[in-house]
Amino acid sequence: DTAVSQTPKYLVTQMGNDKSIKCEQNLGHDTMYWYKQDSKKFLKIMFSYNNKELIINETVPNRFSPKSPDKAHLNLHINSLELGDSAVYFCASSLPLDTGELFFGEGSRLTVL
Amino acid sequence: SQKIEQNSEALNIQEGKTATLTCNYTNYSPAYLQWYRQDPGRGPVFLLLIRENEKEKRKERLKVTFDTTLKQSLFHITASQPADSATYLCALRNQAGTALIFGKGTTLSVSS
Repeated sequence: DTAVSQTPKYLVTQMGNDKSIKCEQNLGHDTMYWYKQDSKKFLKIMFSYNNKELIINETVPNRFSPKSPDKAHLNLHINSLELGDSAVYFCASSLPLDTGELFFGEGSRLTVL
Repeated sequence: SQKIEQNSEALNIQEGKTATLTCNYTNYSPAYLQWYRQDPGRGPVFLLLIRENEKEKRKERLKVTFDTTLKQSLFHITASQPADSATYLCALRNQAGTALIFGKGTTLSVSS
C-alpha cells in the first residue's frame, strides 16, 4: 500500500497550458504539503495544508492553486504554464510537525516545452 | 531569514570508511533537526530526527549529532557501503512551525 501517491509521475506539456497533479495519502495525517525540486535539486516548500486549510503559501505565483477536497487529498493546479515551472513536484504529509517526519510521494516530473 | 547550509555538494569515499556530512544553520534555534535520504527519481525518505536536548542519536550504522551552540549537525555513516550512495538532506522546521525547510543536500558516492 503506497502511503503517499501522486499522479501523474511524468507530465510533458506546452507553455500556456493548464495542468493538475493529484496527491492522496492513506496515513491519516492532518497536514499535507507541496514541495518543488528544481534542476539543482533544491527542495522548496510551496504550500502547506492542515485539515483542508491553507497554512503556508510561500511566495508562489498565483498561477499555482492548491485544492484540498478532504484531508487525505491535496491537488495542485497550475495555470498558464511557463518554462520555469519545469521541475519535480513532491507531495508530502505528516502528523503535526512537532511530532515527526514527512512522508513523501514519488514525485511528479513536469516538463514545459 | 533562516538559512541551512550543507557544505559539500558531493562526497566520495571508499567502502568501509566513515562518511561524515555537515549541516549548518543560521538565524534560528530549531527544536529539532531531521535527516533524509533521496535516491535518484525517488522522494526523500526520513532517516533520523534529533531534538535540541539530545546530543547524539544512533540508528544501526547511522549517527547524528546536534550542537546548538555551533548551530551544526553532523551525520555519520559508519562502515559505508555502495548501497549508501544517495543524496542526504538535512531539514529543520521553519520559525512559524508550519513546514520543514531543507538544505541543498550532499550527494554521497561510496566506491567498492
